[in-house]
Amino acid sequence: EVQLVESGGGLVQPGGSLRLSCAASGFTFSDHYMDWVRQAPGKGLEWVGRSRDKANTYTTEYAASVKGRFTISRDDSKNSLYLQMNSLETEDTAVYYCARGWRVRGVIAAFDIWGQGTLVTVSS
Amino acid sequence: DIQMTQSPSSLSASVGDRVTITCRASQGISSYLNWYQQKPGKAPKVLIYIASNLQSGVPSRFSGGGSGTDFTLTISSLQPEDFATYYCQQTYSTPTTFGQGTRLEIK
Repeated sequence: EVQLVESGGGLVQPGGSLRLSCAASGFTFSDHYMDWVRQAPGKGLEWVGRSRDKANTYTTEYAASVKGRFTISRDDSKNSLYLQMNSLETEDTAVYYCARGWRVRGVIAAFDIWGQGTLVTVSS
Repeated sequence: DIQMTQSPSSLSASVGDRVTITCRASQGISSYLNWYQQKPGKAPKVLIYIASNLQSGVPSRFSGGGSGTDFTLTISSLQPEDFATYYCQQTYSTPTTFGQGTRLEIK
C-alpha cells in the first residue's frame, strides 16, 4: 500500500525548533518530488516547500513565509522526508502534511498521495 | 505568486442537486489546475487533475473544465458523502498556490 506517515509534531514555544518526519512506503521514494503543505486551524492549504527527486539532485524550494527558517531534507535509504523548523512563530501553528508530487506528462501536476498530517502548535 | 480565487466560499445544497464551484487564477495557468476534496480531520484528496482529468477511483459525477484563468468543478448529482470542503490548486508555477476553499454544506 502506498502510504505517507508524518510524525514529530507537538507544542513548542515561540523561537523554538521542531523536526518533522514523513515515512514513505509502497513506492520508489527516490523517484519522487516530495512536498510539505500546512493548514492552520480552520484555514486553507499553504504550500511550505519541496524536495526534488534524485534525478534532480534533491534540490529544494521554499515558500517565502518560511525561507531561511525551515529546511527540507530527505534520506532515500530510509524512505523518509524531513522538515526542520527553526525560529518558530505563532503563525506557524498548523497541521503539516507531506505529499507526493505526481508527474504527469513530464511535469509535477498534482499531489496524489498525502499523509494524515501532524499538528504543530507554537505557543508560550 | 499566482492568486487563486474560488467562488462561492460556501454553498448549501441538497442531495441530488447539481453544483458548480469556480476558480479563477490571477494570470493564465494553461490547464495546470487541480481540485481536491477535504473532509474534517482528513488530508485532501485529489479529484481532478490538469483541469479535466478524473483521478482513478473518483466517481464520474465529478467533472472539471476550463483553461487559462477560469475553471469549474461540477458535481452532477450530490451524494451525502460529497459534503466537504473543495480546494483548487495551480501547479503552473512555483510556488504552487491553492484557492481559499469552498465549503459545501447540506441544505
